[in-house]
Amino acid sequence: GDSVTQMEGPVTLSEEACLTINCTYTATGYPSLFWYVQYPGEGLQLLLKATKADDKGSNKGFEATYRKETTSFHLEKGSVQVSDSAVYFCALSSGGNEKLTFGTGTRLTIIP
Amino acid sequence: GAVVSQHPSRVICKSGTSVKIECRSLDFQATTMFWYRQFPKQSLMLMATSNEGSKATYEQGVEKDKFLINHASLTLSTLTVTSAHPEDSSFYICSARLAGKGRQPQHFGDGTRLSIL
Repeated sequence: GDSVTQMEGPVTLSEEACLTINCTYTATGYPSLFWYVQYPGEGLQLLLKATKADDKGSNKGFEATYRKETTSFHLEKGSVQVSDSAVYFCALSSGGNEKLTFGTGTRLTIIP
Repeated sequence: GAVVSQHPSRVICKSGTSVKIECRSLDFQATTMFWYRQFPKQSLMLMATSNEGSKATYEQGVEKDKFLINHASLTLSTLTVTSAHPEDSSFYICSARLAGKGRQPQHFGDGTRLSIL
């Protein structure tokens, strides 16, 4: 079945540091890939997505590229801010019912 | 756009009470809504897929008589936790997917924190 493996946290970085959160997946067919962010006490917000190989999703300075050859969708940001502190979930959807399969989440804390 | 409203945001009840959680898509039509459960510091577990006008599809291990789902319109799905007990305490999150061709992303509500005493 489908699965998502993402980098375990927690991750603590200083403000303006570079961020990479690794995500790899296993899926049949050609899944769509997503990164969601969850701020404390809230639901999930879609951060970015990519629907086919070599697509790059980007939003709020975050980027991720759909790499079919390595089955990866790593999340990157060049300079993080305190406001980026949250839990980040990598996810995929495939098949007709479009159910989402989530990774375990990575808690990111940015210190000033 | 694509706002999903979930209500209530927090509920505290005595054991044995039934609790209803509403999930509304405010500015779009959603033929499919999803209900998730999230335990502290863990990922989201899909409980069921709710399709407008038909019965919900439950994931393995989820009791359909315990977690009643109704999706009566294109903008509203409800989850009722019947005769709730302390082990049902959790964070419940709904999502809605836009109706339309192609793969549409899911948009999530802010979640409901359920505490059963």
